[in-house]
Amino acid sequence: AQKITQTQPGMFVQEKEAVTLDCTYDTSDPSYGLFWYKQPSSGEMIFLIYQGSYDQQNATEGRYSLNFQKARKSANLVISASQLGDSAMYFCAMREWNYGQNFVFGPGTRLSVLP
Amino acid sequence: GAVVSQHPSWVICKSGTSVKIECRSLDFQATTMFWYRQFPKQSLMLMATSNEGSKATYEQGVEKDKFLINHASLTLSTLTVTSAHPEDSSFYICSAKPWTAGYNNEQFFGPGTRLTVL
Repeated sequence: AQKITQTQPGMFVQEKEAVTLDCTYDTSDPSYGLFWYKQPSSGEMIFLIYQGSYDQQNATEGRYSLNFQKARKSANLVISASQLGDSAMYFCAMREWNYGQNFVFGPGTRLSVLP
Repeated sequence: GAVVSQHPSWVICKSGTSVKIECRSLDFQATTMFWYRQFPKQSLMLMATSNEGSKATYEQGVEKDKFLINHASLTLSTLTVTSAHPEDSSFYICSAKPWTAGYNNEQFFGPGTRLTVL
């Protein structure tokens, strides 16, 4: 069974607008971490934001925020004030602290920012 | 910040030859390094986990005799694709987990190596 689901293979957003990228996950481990990475066409994985399963508040990093809804097992990434340089693949990933601690990546969402 | 390098960044080789890819943590010691493979328009798939000084743990379906992993020091892991074939053409990415993991136990990714087997 897929542990990380990203239902949007591709998204378009107008420059300067906000966009939400969906991520749902499946785990029975009470201790886990959720990560978002950006992968531009050059290929490197760029860490954006992290949310721990026990964190009380939603994580924020500059223009990135994570809408963490634990009961629904969702961890959506919100990018505010989109920029042309935000066009890339975005991957949601999870690490289960008690079950092997390996990263599991979602299928990704390709975001295109329109001028 | 923590930096991970990979060498080479791209390589083209003939079918049947072996290719070695290096992954180095430049400013930290990595107890664990991970190797991923990414096919075009797909996500990253974990191939194996290597811990310094011990044998790598391979994911199901990954041939350990074909993808040789050596983690000889706390700053270097190598992946050797032996007798490469065109179906091995892919983007290979390593990541390293610091000895002193931070709050989020983050992994740091290398820039990737694009392998093309003719």
